[in-house]
Amino acid sequence: QKEVEQNSGPLSVPEGAIASLNCTYSDRVSQSFFWYRQYSGKSPELIMSIYSNGDKEDGRFTAQLNKASQYVSLLIRDSQPSDSATYLCAVNQGGSSNTGKLIFGQGTTLQVKP
Amino acid sequence: GAGVSQSPSNKVTEKGKDVELRCDPISGHTALYWYRQSLGQGLEFLIYFQGNSAPDKSGLPSDRFSAERTGGSVSTLTIQRTQQEDSAVYLCASSLWGPTDTQYFGPGTRLTVL
Repeated sequence: QKEVEQNSGPLSVPEGAIASLNCTYSDRVSQSFFWYRQYSGKSPELIMSIYSNGDKEDGRFTAQLNKASQYVSLLIRDSQPSDSATYLCAVNQGGSSNTGKLIFGQGTTLQVKP
Repeated sequence: GAGVSQSPSNKVTEKGKDVELRCDPISGHTALYWYRQSLGQGLEFLIYFQGNSAPDKSGLPSDRFSAERTGGSVSTLTIQRTQQEDSAVYLCASSLWGPTDTQYFGPGTRLTVL
């Protein structure tokens, strides 16, 4: 089992729709969770970070964390063509093994069609 | 500086040669990370520095890879006797305090081993 799993996609949504990106992780004591966006040929840029169970909203983005179920999701409302990119879920190992290693999923490619 | 910088942006080398990749973190950031991303793949953790020490070197793929950080700032990743499978984008990131903080990525160095 991969430590951080994402559906590679592509996930295709029409402009203006809600895009839902999901991620599951295996390390139960993980404490920090991040969503990065990566445009083709570019480096990852942070979209959201979340540390506590529940929802965290920032503009059109909402991150959701459920530690009991070991999943984290990212919702993008009113999707725009400029949102088309690969979205990387990253989980920082927690507990006594917290050594700084940020484990990334393989990424989900999102395509927003005009 | 305003962000993480890396040099060179592109490096083409011949199999068997040594290469050095440089990373300048965001000023004041104490933690520094190296990752690599092969074509179409996710990010692979290589090494993490807290100050000048490296608590976690577990991601270095072989003893041909080494890294150092001096003065709590600039880091160099060295690959000796490069192989074709070393071809990838090498990404550096930094964070303010440590592992649970947001990591900010540099633009990467694209390494091609012929």
